[in-house]
Amino acid sequence: QVQLVESGGGVVQPGRSLRLSCAVSGFTLTTYGVHWVRQAPGKGLEWVAVISYDGSNQYYADSVKGRFTMFRDNSRNTLYLQMNSLRAEDTAVYYCAKDRAVRAFLYYYGMDVWGQGTTVTVSS
Amino acid sequence: DIQMTQSPSSLSASVGDRVTITCQANQDISNYLNWYQQKPGKAPKLLIYDASNLETGVPSRFSGSGSGTDFTFTISSLQPEDIATYYCQQYDNLPPYTFGQGTKLEIK
Repeated sequence: QVQLVESGGGVVQPGRSLRLSCAVSGFTLTTYGVHWVRQAPGKGLEWVAVISYDGSNQYYADSVKGRFTMFRDNSRNTLYLQMNSLRAEDTAVYYCAKDRAVRAFLYYYGMDVWGQGTTVTVSS
Repeated sequence: DIQMTQSPSSLSASVGDRVTITCQANQDISNYLNWYQQKPGKAPKLLIYDASNLETGVPSRFSGSGSGTDFTFTISSLQPEDIATYYCQQYDNLPPYTFGQGTKLEIK
């Protein structure tokens, strides 16, 4: 059964850092790309970032580019989202989600399985 | 970036009604469009991919159509468990993969 479980959310002050984890099971990170999508309180969905199946290709939304970085530990089947210089507008539920396509690279196909989300609150 | 305009933003319908949501892209995205359902407090769920293909396990009352810039999502006979917010998402070419603003569906 394909599953993604996020963790690491919490309350953090503006300007500080936080690292989210996404532990996957039922598939391997070396076969599918993984996206991060966030949802601010009471708002819609915002695509944040994607990493390819081999880790060599990453894209970020302009709103987080230069502040957020994805990396992964294949041995633990875990993906990470390192979030630096956090702002109040980064407050949201963060979801990781598996891409639909096997070994997608450069082009991706949307998300077919999602985690339950982890909440990040940026506040002083 | 590609902009997705979804309408209506909210919709109230009765059980058994046919419900239609539209999504318009500001440029041609072929059929690179997904539809998701999000129930309150839950993660989104993929319902339709490639504009018109039903994801495995999704009831056949859900359907999608369209290509180019104009897309439609339909529930043929609304059920109480369909109460949710629905989002379209384009995945044409390179990221960002933008979502529509969502349609909140309520029972009348």
